Order: sequence, then structure tokens, then C-alpha cells
Amino acid sequence: QQQVRQSPQSLTVWEGETAILNCSYEDSTFDYFPWYHQFPGESPALLIAIRPVSNKKEDGRFTIFFNKREKKFSLHIADSQPGDSATYFCAASENSNNRIFFGDGTQLVVKP
Amino acid sequence: NSKVIQTPRYLVKGQGQKAKMRCIPEKGHPVVFWYQQNKNNEFKFLINFQNQEVLQQIDMTEKRFSAECPSNSPCSLEIQSSEAGDSALYLCASSLFNSGNTLYFGEGSRLIVV
Repeated sequence: QQQVRQSPQSLTVWEGETAILNCSYEDSTFDYFPWYHQFPGESPALLIAIRPVSNKKEDGRFTIFFNKREKKFSLHIADSQPGDSATYFCAASENSNNRIFFGDGTQLVVKP
Repeated sequence: NSKVIQTPRYLVKGQGQKAKMRCIPEKGHPVVFWYQQNKNNEFKFLINFQNQEVLQQIDMTEKRFSAECPSNSPCSLEIQSSEAGDSALYLCASSLFNSGNTLYFGEGSRLIVV
């Protein structure tokens, strides 16, 4: 059973629009939810992360919205820029567990 | 620039050959993860270590891979007998703690099995 599901698989938006990437998870004991981005030819890097003590985390143009009841969280990229074009991975983990589960990624293209 | 150093960046092996990849985690990070990323960008967890001890590994890793993280030496992941399906990007990541902390990834070792 896949622990973290991500949608859409690919997303194209115009420059200036808000891109919305979605994730859901299975295990209600997960307590750390990061988003990583990966540019072509590069390794993944942490973008932003949230813990379920809050339902929103903001960092510049990037915002995570978290819904514990529905076991969903999303990444909103406001004022999307062509430089944001990358693959975005959500992940989930539990503090007492040694595993971090990744979604299958959303390939974002921002058109100028 | 990644502070997790992986070598080699690329390796090409024939089926049945051994393939060995190395990783130097970021200084001070006791936990090391290995992931396999396929051509569809999907991550598959392989194994993780805390210091020199294996924390978790999947069946495939247990049967066909050997991995270690000796003290004062690079961590390594070795495929004993490469198969075509092993062609992928192998990513090493390190972190301060087991989970709930940032993973710092290396640039990966791309294995092509011909």
C-alpha cells in the first residue's frame, strides 16, 4: 500500500498563476511533512516542511496547507515563475520511525 | 552545492556484474539513507543506517545488495549481480536524526546496466 499519494502527475501553469500540488497520506501517526523539489540533473532539496501542530506554513511564495482530519496537505506556489519548473515531491514520516515515504512527484512546468 | 558526496556519478555495468557506489554523508550526520529513483522519478527506499548500524532495509536490498557505513570510511552500496531493472539513479541522503528532519541528498550515482 502506497503510504503517500501525490497528484497531479504533471501540471502546467502560466507565469503569475498559483500552482497547487496535492498530497495525501495513509498513516495517521505521521508527524512531519516536507516538500522537496528536484531540478533536471540535480538532486532533490528541501523546499518547505510542516508539522501537524499547525495547518499552514508559509515561506515567501510557497505555502503548505495541512488538513489532519482528511490526511491531506498541499503546496501552493503563488506567482509561479518559469524558474519554479521542476519536479516536486511530498513526503511523510513519523518521528519514531526510521522511514521517510515519498510521493511519486509532480512535474511542474511554468510557461512564460 | 551538495555536501553529501557520491561517487561515481555514472557507472555502466553488464548484467551479472557487481556495481558499487559510495557516499560520504554530510559531516556530523549520523543517519544515511539510500534511495533508488527510477526513470519515472519514483523513489524506492533501499536501506538506512545510523552510524554503522542498519536501521531498516527492504527485501531486495537484503538479498541482492550489500551496504555498509563503516566508521571513518565512505558508506557504500553494492549490487552483487546487476540486472537490467537496476538501471536507475541511486541517491544517498544524510540527516541529523532518523526522521522529522531534513534529508540532504547527494547528486546521485546513475547506474546503467546493459
